[in-house]
Amino acid sequence: DIQMTQSPSSLSASVGDRVTITCRASQSISSHLNWYQQKPGKAPKLLIFAANTLQSGVPSRFSGSGSGTDFTLTISSLQPEDFATYYCQQTYSTPPELTFGGGTKVEIK
Amino acid sequence: QLQLQESGPGLVKPSETLSLTCSVSGGSISSSSSYWGWIRQPPGKGLEWIGSIYYSGTTYYSPSLKSRVTISIDTSKNQFSLKVSSVTAADTAVYYCAAQGYFDWVSSRWGQGTLVTVSS
Repeated sequence: DIQMTQSPSSLSASVGDRVTITCRASQSISSHLNWYQQKPGKAPKLLIFAANTLQSGVPSRFSGSGSGTDFTLTISSLQPEDFATYYCQQTYSTPPELTFGGGTKVEIK
Repeated sequence: QLQLQESGPGLVKPSETLSLTCSVSGGSISSSSSYWGWIRQPPGKGLEWIGSIYYSGTTYYSPSLKSRVTISIDTSKNQFSLKVSSVTAADTAVYYCAAQGYFDWVSSRWGQGTLVTVSS
């Protein structure tokens, strides 16, 4: 099975900062990598799919990159509403085994 | 706009069976472009995919839960359901249902989630 490792597990940042979160797969997953944002008490929300495609309605300050085993989620200028936990997820496995990374909590500095 | 809503008991006794239903509105569960999935999240922890079903009844399960999980679908009611047998405290979690793309498995729409506690 494919393991997904996110780093860091948490970070502190200020409004306006550029934030980068990484996700590493235990084997190549091509571009089958998605990013979700979750706020406390809420369901996850899809931000980016296929490694770098922004979901409709998601602000352009969010971007994704990478392929193979190494992926990055970048928030170009952190806004107050971006403080949340972010999860990566691989959807490469056949038959499907939709594994998530452990999450990265973005907190206010 | 597609909406999903989980329902079911919030408290289940150890060794019993957890049963949840996801009601879909704003779209057909018989859509050829969607799988329908269950994901859970223990309190304070990360997300775990449980399994998914297609309108035809084809199912896929997480290997770690496969022996205890059954997902079914009722196209006449636009609902799909989850059963987890022989539950323990480790099955205490918020359970989410989600719509997943047929070709890419992306979970684009989620229910609000429902907390299920396993306790005597």
